[in-house]
Amino acid sequence: DAGVTQSPTHLIKTRGQQVTLRCSPKSGHDTVSWYQQALGQGPQFIFQYYEEEERQRGNFPDRFSGHQFPNYSSELNVNALLLGDSALYLCASSPSLAATGELFFGEGSRLTVL
Amino acid sequence: QKEVEQDPGPLSVPEGAIVSLNCTYSNSAFQYFMWYRQYSRKGPELLMYTYSSGNKEDGRFTAQVDKSSKYISLFIRDSQPSDSATYLCAMSELEYGQNFVFGPGTRLSVLP
Repeated sequence: DAGVTQSPTHLIKTRGQQVTLRCSPKSGHDTVSWYQQALGQGPQFIFQYYEEEERQRGNFPDRFSGHQFPNYSSELNVNALLLGDSALYLCASSPSLAATGELFFGEGSRLTVL
Repeated sequence: QKEVEQDPGPLSVPEGAIVSLNCTYSNSAFQYFMWYRQYSRKGPELLMYTYSSGNKEDGRFTAQVDKSSKYISLFIRDSQPSDSATYLCAMSELEYGQNFVFGPGTRLSVLP
């Protein structure tokens, strides 16, 4: 049973560019969230998708946007990259909106902005 | 003041020691409390989940929540080198939804 898979695992971009990160949730999961984890920090909630709609959003600017597809996979897009966007981006899935702490995380996409 | 704070670490202990990891928080609306373990270059994995105040035990792990003091702890008994990881506490106001607030993490090394 495949867990949460993310791609790419590493990428390097320059300031001002745009990036798209991809996530496939664990089998049987329909809810996806994205988190940003800066070096030495805990993950910070970006947003959550359920039924192809953004359901919750954390304190992130509109440069961060997302999408969920009918097969429950998801994309995170970041426009106009800043140096401060360098971080590990984690995708997490759960069986439903009723998370009860049962978030399953992928291994993340490490973004470096130069 | 950050919403969730953890002992900064890093923490090094000998194999077999009892480890205490702690978090404090400021938002009294938090009701759901979790501990995640994150190995290097991996995503976090859920260790313990508790609701409101009290204790919960699972094998070598015990989670404690004291809402009156806004303080939570994770105890690891008979620590093993395989327990070496970063431990993250996380909290939520709601049972549903995934907007968890994480602490910065404490890095633990268990020395053989």
